[in-house]
Amino acid sequence: QKEVEQNSGPLSVPEGAIASLNCTYSDRVSQSFFWYRQYSGKSPELIMSIYSNGDKEDGRFTAQLNKASQYVSLLIRDSQPSDSATYLCAGRGGGATNKLIFGTGTLLAVQP
Amino acid sequence: DAGITQSPRHKVTETGTPVTLRCHQTENHRYMYWYRQDPGHGLRLIHYSYGVKDTDKGEVSDGYSVSRSKTEDFLLTLESATSSQTSVYFCAISYLAGGGNEQFFGPGTRLTVL
Repeated sequence: QKEVEQNSGPLSVPEGAIASLNCTYSDRVSQSFFWYRQYSGKSPELIMSIYSNGDKEDGRFTAQLNKASQYVSLLIRDSQPSDSATYLCAGRGGGATNKLIFGTGTLLAVQP
Repeated sequence: DAGITQSPRHKVTETGTPVTLRCHQTENHRYMYWYRQDPGHGLRLIHYSYGVKDTDKGEVSDGYSVSRSKTEDFLLTLESATSSQTSVYFCAISYLAGGGNEQFFGPGTRLTVL
């Protein structure tokens, strides 16, 4: 099993819909998780972090963490064409060195 | 935007030549990282630093070396570039605060080895 796993997509949703992006992780990844957005040809941009079980909301974004199922998700409400990008899930690896382990990303396409 | 710059932004070089990429931060963050990003592999950690002169290997460190002589600069060197090192290289920085580990990325360097 990969340490952080994502479906590569593309995930296609119509404008205004809710986009649901999912990520699973192994025992080697600890309890801090991050979602990054990466536009084509650009660098990853941090959009959400979540450290405890449950939901965390920030504007149109909601991150969900389920430790029992080792599952992290990102919901984007009222999806816009400008949300079209690759979304990277990352979890903190073990030890004190703050290393992050990244999934390979899910490509989201929001159709106008 | 986090104060991170990378230079050069683009480079084309030939197999066997040495290449040095520079990452510069103005945030005074302790931790700095070098990643490479390739299709199908995502972001993979090459080397990281947890302080001046303190560095360690990541998962894909073969063929790369790093140096950090001052807090703001982290250099990545390819001693003898190979075509397999053609990639996009990202530098990232982070600080340890509240148990989190938010990393912030530089703009990237696109390296092509012919």
